[in-house]
Amino acid sequence: DAGVTQSPTHLIKTRGQQVTLRCSPKSGHDTVSWYQQALGQGPQFIFQYYEEEERQRGNFPDRFSGHQFPNYSSELNVNALLLGDSALYLCASSLGQGTNEQFFGPGTRLTVL
Amino acid sequence: GEDVEQSLFLSVREGDSSVINCTYTDSSSTYLYWYKQEPGAGLQLLTYIFSNMDMKQDQRLTVLLNKKDKHLSLRIADTQTGDSAIYFCAESTYSSASKIIFGSGTRLSIRP
Repeated sequence: DAGVTQSPTHLIKTRGQQVTLRCSPKSGHDTVSWYQQALGQGPQFIFQYYEEEERQRGNFPDRFSGHQFPNYSSELNVNALLLGDSALYLCASSLGQGTNEQFFGPGTRLTVL
Repeated sequence: GEDVEQSLFLSVREGDSSVINCTYTDSSSTYLYWYKQEPGAGLQLLTYIFSNMDMKQDQRLTVLLNKKDKHLSLRIADTQTGDSAIYFCAESTYSSASKIIFGSGTRLSIRP
């Protein structure tokens, strides 16, 4: 039973570029949430996707967008990258929109130069 | 507002008990969590407690909740070197169960 997988594991971009991160949820899960974890900080909620729609959103600008596919996998897109976007991006999956039990992937480490 | 605070560091001797403390501000918090993060790894859910409970025990882990003071603690009995990690306290509400608000984490180090 595969857990949550994310790709790539590491990524280096320059300011102003755009990036796409990918997440495959745990088998049987239909909801994906994305979190940003800056160095030395706890994760911060970006948004949640359920039934291919964004259902909840944290305090992040519109440069952060996402998508969920019919197979429940998800992408996180960040446009016009800033140095401050450097962080570990974590994907979490769960069964159902309102459940509190989330399983986290290993994350994608994004470095913006 | 939503805020979760915890101390940054804790050092304990191997075999002793570790107690990690956390305070939260949102009185509508329904679920309170403890997550563990090891270097280079994602987050592992250790345990969670409903806000209508005072205590939850799971093997070496004991969670205590003081709802009046909005204080949550995690006790790890017989701390081992494998317990070295960052521990995150977190909360979510019933209406936004999947939107988890995390503290900044407590780094637990074990000394021989």
